[in-house]
Amino acid sequence: AQTVTQSQPEMSVQEAETVTLSCTYDTSESDYYLFWYKQPPSRQMILVIRQEAYKQQNATENRFSVNFQKAAKSFSLKISDSQLGDAAMYFCAYRSVYAHSNSGYALNFGKGTSLLVTP
Amino acid sequence: GAVVSQHPSWVICKSGTSVKIECRSLDFQATTMFWYRQFPKQSLMLMATSNEGSKATYEQGVEKDKFLINHASLTLSTLTVTSAHPEDSSFYICSAPYRLGANVLTFGAGSRLTVL
Repeated sequence: AQTVTQSQPEMSVQEAETVTLSCTYDTSESDYYLFWYKQPPSRQMILVIRQEAYKQQNATENRFSVNFQKAAKSFSLKISDSQLGDAAMYFCAYRSVYAHSNSGYALNFGKGTSLLVTP
Repeated sequence: GAVVSQHPSWVICKSGTSVKIECRSLDFQATTMFWYRQFPKQSLMLMATSNEGSKATYEQGVEKDKFLINHASLTLSTLTVTSAHPEDSSFYICSAPYRLGANVLTFGAGSRLTVL
């Protein structure tokens, strides 16, 4: 089974600054998807960014970008120009490309990192 | 597009009663839906995979008789917590891919269950 590890329970960043959230994973698969989801206090899960493992180019979505290191099995999220609205729990998640059953298409989440943004 | 509606958003019940939580895909058909459970300040743990027209697949350690899942149509999956106890109090979240195999899941807003 794949495991996703987020080693930073909490992080803090000042408004307008840059912060990086770390994520590592363990898998024997060669092809997979990786995601960062944001969960604000409303607890609605919001997709921040996704990466296909076969793509070498790091994904970017506006102020959010990832550093995907496949060999190291590392998938960090960089938030630039942090805003107060970025404060939330951030979850790194893994999903297999090929599954033996439908449950294999579920996301496997890390424990999350709570991001605090200070004015 | 790809909206998942979950109801109720918050429910309080007495110990020993049963509670039903609905998960609907509003603008797409979902042959598969996933049910997660989240304890306070913890991660989302997959409970079961709901399959339209067939039995749900439960993760190891999840009691099938306690958490009944029914996926009777392409747009509705229900989770019934039977004979609820205080330890079942949690946040339950459903999600669905807008098509089978799609790599992005759409999540419902979640249902907070409190068992007194």
